[in-house]
Amino acid sequence: GEDVEQSLFLSVREGDSSVINCTYTDSSSTYLYWYKQEPGAGLQLLTYIFSNMDMKQDQRLTVLLNKKDKHLSLRIADTQTGDSAIYFCAESIGGSQGNLIFGKGTKLSVKP
Amino acid sequence: DGGITQSPKYLFRKEGQNVTLSCEQNLNHDAMYWYRQDPGQGLRLIYYSQIVNDFQKGDIAEGYSVSREKKESFPLTVTSAQKNPTAFYLCASSRSWGRDYNEQFFGPGTRLTVL
Repeated sequence: GEDVEQSLFLSVREGDSSVINCTYTDSSSTYLYWYKQEPGAGLQLLTYIFSNMDMKQDQRLTVLLNKKDKHLSLRIADTQTGDSAIYFCAESIGGSQGNLIFGKGTKLSVKP
Repeated sequence: DGGITQSPKYLFRKEGQNVTLSCEQNLNHDAMYWYRQDPGQGLRLIYYSQIVNDFQKGDIAEGYSVSREKKESFPLTVTSAQKNPTAFYLCASSRSWGRDYNEQFFGPGTRLTVL
């Protein structure tokens, strides 16, 4: 079945760039999403990319999509302590699994 | 303000009791979802509803039940048949169903602890 894989942890220093990677399996996914979850809270959409795009930039966030390798990445420039959170990658598939499949999440720790 | 509310934020239950978690949205969304989150497990889909008066089982529906009598509301009941119910429960909604752009909006979550 469809699956989304992410590494579980990433630690960076404040001011550095963070890169969170994700691989997905459904080659017909139309949209891919990045969500952020702060401790004890729900998820909030950070950004998304349509499958016919290679890159999307939104302020400090850059999303890169390699559709051939089914690889998605989220780069956060100038990472701040407030960026410490869990980041989820999700792909849209519809069908019997619900319309989004989420990865397990990458916990980003930002050290001052 | 439009959004999703979940109540209560914290819930304690004794073993053998059923408990109902509330989820309400005023976004006029057709689709609603319940997820369970355990540490290191990501989000697992319990139930979803594409439209009012209809719902489907997700990956881990055993021990849970839902209803969708109103568009705005999608309550989740955790029954005594759920063997390990202690978890963080998230409700979400989306405008519609399918492969088009369809952001899911999440509530703040309910943390259920079984004593």
